[in-house]
Amino acid sequence: NAGVMQNPRHLVRRRGQEARLRCSPMKGHSHVYWYRQLPEEGLKFMVYLQKENIIDESGMPKERFSAEFPKEGPSILRIQQVVRGDSAAYFCASSQETGLNYEQYFGPGTRLTVT
Amino acid sequence: AQSVTQPDIHITVSEGASLELRCNYSYGATPYLFWYVQSPGQGLQLLLKYFSGDTLVQGIKGFEAEFKRSQSSFNLRKPSVHWSDAAEYFCAVGARGKLIFGQGTELSVKP
Repeated sequence: NAGVMQNPRHLVRRRGQEARLRCSPMKGHSHVYWYRQLPEEGLKFMVYLQKENIIDESGMPKERFSAEFPKEGPSILRIQQVVRGDSAAYFCASSQETGLNYEQYFGPGTRLTVT
Repeated sequence: AQSVTQPDIHITVSEGASLELRCNYSYGATPYLFWYVQSPGQGLQLLLKYFSGDTLVQGIKGFEAEFKRSQSSFNLRKPSVHWSDAAEYFCAVGARGKLIFGQGTELSVKP
């Protein structure tokens, strides 16, 4: 059973470009979470999605960031007009469809570098 | 507000020595608590979790953790550390579908 898959593993963007990060959850998982890890910091929650629905986006910056989890295909975290401060590791996690089961399985992350 | 504090940013222990990593949480209800480990350049691997019941929980790789409600703590322990345990360790609390992480404790192991 494949784990959570993220691609690309490394992404380099110039300031002002767009970054698209992809996440395929574990088989049978319909809940996806995105976290950001800034250098020398712990992980910070960004957004929680189910298929075609955003459940909680309280951790998302108000501008330039968006996320989706379509009916078919991976979840996408999009960052428009990237700035140097967006450089970080972005982790996706997934869980089964049980409301009280917080056990989340993490992908290997996408390391974004903005030059 | 929910929060997790890991007081020790960096700990160094000798191989074969015992280990305890501290974690304190702030949460209004019965917490769902987790310990994850992250090796350099890698994602997070779940070591163990506490949902309810026995307050001493066993995890993978010989780790265990004890939930102490009176102290709002969930400390991670291992009786004998191996060089391969060198990594960063994160404590987390589950809150309405998301995880709130502590700042992490980096563990170094001396030969």
